[in-house]
Amino acid sequence: EAAVTQSPRNKVTVTGGNVTLSCRQTNSHNYMYWYRQDTGHGLRLIHYSYGAGNLQIGDVPDGYKATRTTQEDFFLLLELASPSQTSLYFCASSDAGGVNQDTQYFGPGTRLLVL
Amino acid sequence: GDKVKQSPSALSLQEGTNSALRCNFSIAATTVQWFLQNPRGSLINLFYLVPGTKENGRLKSTFNSKESYSTLHIRDAQLEDSGTYFCAAAPGGNYKPTFGKGTSLVVHP
Repeated sequence: EAAVTQSPRNKVTVTGGNVTLSCRQTNSHNYMYWYRQDTGHGLRLIHYSYGAGNLQIGDVPDGYKATRTTQEDFFLLLELASPSQTSLYFCASSDAGGVNQDTQYFGPGTRLLVL
Repeated sequence: GDKVKQSPSALSLQEGTNSALRCNFSIAATTVQWFLQNPRGSLINLFYLVPGTKENGRLKSTFNSKESYSTLHIRDAQLEDSGTYFCAAAPGGNYKPTFGKGTSLVVHP
């Protein structure tokens, strides 16, 4: 079973604040993803990456940056947080191209509140 | 419009009954995943599908790529099946799944 961890699990910041969400996966998956989950919208893809140094734009990227520093670590950056970014954030990883291709394994989520 | 539509949006079942959830796509999906988000918020893999059918215990899922839909059948529903079920579809060679908005299921005694 893939292991995906996220930190912090909960975060409160103020409008205009700087926030970094961290994700680590320990199963050598090549793809990693950041999603946000909001009532009425399901999960929406913010950014994703297929390897260290790579970044792909998702469906709702505005206001977010991301960086994949190693195969294991993927960070989501909110440099000027706004209340509209209050949400539940999930990280996921997958072994695209493997036997189960893009089966995704999710972390436990980070609750972010922007006041 | 939504590329992945799930129905129904909410469902209430009595323990021991059967039901089916559906996912319709307006994209040329080649793979489908089904997840359960439990009441604690964790997302749990249920199925990964290419066109065809898979079964696991009381759950069975079918993916029909030609007609652009997938179904998740729940047999003999149990209280622990409660939660929100999501499907996610991805086109061939594109490891970028699109999620539906979910079906909220409550199983009651």
